[in-house]
Amino acid sequence: GAVVSQHPSWVICKSGTSVKIECRSLDFQATTMFWYRQFPKQSLMLMATSNEGSKATYEQGVEKDKFLINHASLTLSTLTVTSAHPEDSSFYICSTYPTSGRFGGTDTQYFGPGTRLTVL
Amino acid sequence: GQNIDQPTEMTATEGAIVQINCTYQTSGFNGLFWYQQHAGEAPTFLSYNVLDGLEEKGRFSSFLSRSKGYSYLLLKELQMKDSASYLCAVNGDYKLSFGAGTTVTVRA
Repeated sequence: GAVVSQHPSWVICKSGTSVKIECRSLDFQATTMFWYRQFPKQSLMLMATSNEGSKATYEQGVEKDKFLINHASLTLSTLTVTSAHPEDSSFYICSTYPTSGRFGGTDTQYFGPGTRLTVL
Repeated sequence: GQNIDQPTEMTATEGAIVQINCTYQTSGFNGLFWYQQHAGEAPTFLSYNVLDGLEEKGRFSSFLSRSKGYSYLLLKELQMKDSASYLCAVNGDYKLSFGAGTTVTVRA
C-alpha cells in the first residue's frame, strides 16, 4: 500500500527556534498534501493544504507566516514552525493521496506517522 | 462550517460488539471515513462510505445514511488490541473534517 513518511518523528527545541518537518510520499506522486495538528486527547485539526508548485491554503485561524509550507516536488512537502513557543507543542501529522488516484474510495488519504514537537 | 459529533468514550468486554455513532452537518459531502488511532500514532484507515448502506470488512462494518447525516462503525468480536480512538471524518469539500474521536476501552 501507499506509504507516507515524516521526519523527524520527534523533536525537542528551545522557545524561539524554528523547526522543519518533512513529509514524503515514498511510492507515489502527490500533488496535494495536508498538514494536521493534534493536541492531547483532541482530534486532528487541518492546518493547511499544500499544493505542489503553488502557495498553500491555510485554514482559518492558522498563521501562514508562522507555519511556513513548501511543496517543492511531487513527493515532498515541508512544514516549518517559525519562532516556536511552548503552545506550539503538539503532534503534527501529514497526509496525502496519489495524484493518479481519486481522493476517497479506494484511494483514500494516507497518513504519515506524525511528528511530536515539544517546545521548552 | 463543519460539525461532526461522536461519543467521547465507550467501554466493552472482549468478544462483545460495540457500535460507535457519528452525526454530521457539513457544507458538502463527498464521503465519510472511519479511522483507528492508537495513542501517539497516526490514524489508520478502516472504512469509507459514500452511498447509503452497510459496508462490511471482516470484524468491522460501517453504515451511512446521507439523508439523516448519520453513520456508525460496528466492531464485532472485540479484541484487546481494538482499544483505541476511533475517528469519524467527513470529506466535505475534498479535505477531511474530523470528529473529536471515541475512545474505546476493551476489558477482559
